[in-house]
Formats: sequence, C-alpha cells, structure tokens
Amino acid sequence: EVQLVESGGGLVQPGRSLRLSCAASGFTFDEYAMHWVRQAPGKGLEWVSGITWNSGIIGYADSVKGRFTTSRDNAKNSLYLQMNGLRAEDTALYYCAKDWDDILTGPDYWGQGTLVTVSS
Amino acid sequence: QAVVTQEPSLTVSPGGTVTLTCGSTTGPVTSGHYPYWFQQKPGQAPTTLIYDTRNKHSWTPVQFSGSLIGGKAALTLSGAQPEDEAYYYCMLSYGDTRVFGGGTKLTVL
Repeated sequence: EVQLVESGGGLVQPGRSLRLSCAASGFTFDEYAMHWVRQAPGKGLEWVSGITWNSGIIGYADSVKGRFTTSRDNAKNSLYLQMNGLRAEDTALYYCAKDWDDILTGPDYWGQGTLVTVSS
Repeated sequence: QAVVTQEPSLTVSPGGTVTLTCGSTTGPVTSGHYPYWFQQKPGQAPTTLIYDTRNKHSWTPVQFSGSLIGGKAALTLSGAQPEDEAYYYCMLSYGDTRVFGGGTKLTVL
C-alpha cells in the first residue's frame, strides 16, 4: 500500500524558514517523480514543485521560485521542501504526491498534508 | 504563468450527465498539456481520477471519463450519484511546471 506521510509543518513568522519532509513507503521510491501541492484555507489546489526520480529536473511554480527548494533522498525514501523567506500567502496545507512515472507527469497518490501557518 | 480556467460551479440531477471543462489562457488545450482531473471532498486529500486526457486509474469510478472538446479538456460524469458531489480540479502541464484550475464545485441535486 502506498503511503505518503508529510511532516515539518507548523507556525512560523514571516521571513523565516521551514523544511517539510515526506516519508514514502509501499512503492519503489527511486522509480517515481514526486510533487508538492498546497492548498490555502478555503481555497483551491496550487502546484508548488515537482522533481524527477533522479533529481535531474526540478520544476517550481512562479509563486515560490527562488524561495523554495525541492530535494529528495532516494536512500531514505524521502522528499523535502525547503521553504525560505516565508510569506503570509504561503499559509496552506502542503501535500506530498507521488507521480505515476519517473519523469514529471502528474500525481497519482497523495498524502494527507502538513499545515504551514505563516504569521507574526 | 498560464491561467487554467474551470466553471466555478455546476449542478447535475441524480442519474444525469454533466461535463466539466478546463481551458488555458495560452490557447487551446491539447493532449500535449497532459490534462489531469482530481476529485476532492470536504476535509479529504484529493484523489486522481484521470491522467493524460483520458486514462483512468484502477480506482477511478466507471462513471467518469476524460476527453478534449472544443479546445478544452473535459471531464464527463455519466449517471451522477450523490457521492459524486465534490470539488473537481484539472491540472495542465506547461514544460516543467504544472498549473491547477480554480476548481468546479459540483452539486448533485
């Protein structure tokens, strides 16, 4: 059974940093691309970033480019999102999602999310 | 960054058929945008219904189908059930980035 468990969310002040993690199990992690998708309270889904199986291609939404960095550790079956220069508009539930391919296509399985709140 | 457009809300009668659409401000949606469709119910994570325009996952209910219609991606629900009431999001590919539409709130009434 595919399982994706996000962690690292919490309350953080504007301008500060936070690192999210996603622990994957139930599939061969290094054979699939991965995504981060967020959802602000009461709002729709927003794609944040995606990374290919070997980290060869990493894509970012314009809204986070230059502030967020996605990485993965295939030996640890883990995906990460380093978020710097956080803003109030980054407040959201952050989902980790598995791609159905090793290149960047789109999510098939989703985690339950971790909540990030940016506020002073 | 491109904007992906969806109907904000639609209503369908139980047993009826409804088509949700997904457009792009950059021009016609094609198979090269690899359209995806997701369902999200309140308080739950999204689930993926359709990938690459019309492909279904093993868990996709049979009443859902994907296509391209009139320069847009389309999700058709045939034989709506009360449990199909949810938000539906499309997602399009633009190179190495992906963009979600604003979502359609589907009411079965």
